[in-house]
Amino acid sequence: DNVLPQSPTTMAASPGEKVTITCHASSSGIYMNWHQQKSGTSPKLWIYDTSKLASGVPDRFSGSGSGTSYSLTINTMETEDAATYYCQQCCSTPYTFGAGTKLELK
Amino acid sequence: EVQLQQSGAELVRPGTSVKLSCKVSGDTITAYYMHFVKQRPGQGLEWIGRIDPEDDSTKYAEKFKNKATLTADTSSNTAYLKLSSLTSEDTATYFCTTGTFDYWGQGVMVTVSS
Repeated sequence: DNVLPQSPTTMAASPGEKVTITCHASSSGIYMNWHQQKSGTSPKLWIYDTSKLASGVPDRFSGSGSGTSYSLTINTMETEDAATYYCQQCCSTPYTFGAGTKLELK
Repeated sequence: EVQLQQSGAELVRPGTSVKLSCKVSGDTITAYYMHFVKQRPGQGLEWIGRIDPEDDSTKYAEKFKNKATLTADTSSNTAYLKLSSLTSEDTATYFCTTGTFDYWGQGVMVTVSS
């Protein structure tokens, strides 16, 4: 039930910049979810089944990965993307979350 | 649209228990597993466990097996999280979320303090 390692822990990106966040699963053969959380609000499912965008998520976001290595990429950073992103192993127990990556606007 | 409405903030004494509710509207609770997630102030998300309201089967993260109890009431479309033997380590916001994590409650803050 350990927390999944994510990198970086924090980062800052300028508008238009490409952003990549990585996450390492504890086992292979899983799907990965990604959640976005802004301060004081509930998390939102952002990417599910490793690469599928949740409803309403801009297509500048993408997810990929296999084995134990997964990533979330923002093709061109926008102001509204500043948030904390958590990966999460899916879809069998335990549904362990990553440690989180705080993405700030530079 | 599915909505999850959680009960209000709690201030509780160390050593006691608290039971939090999560009411589902817009669909029947038996359509989903219901998960609960913990977030301590300024910290990350921790998966506590899930319940299948269809048959009341439960799964817990190892560290919550003696701390959390999940139940569900299909007649009221509500899932519950009971936390026992509370300590300051249990001070956190607790979220409920549906089986595919696409719907989340607003969270409920539990403060354990004497």
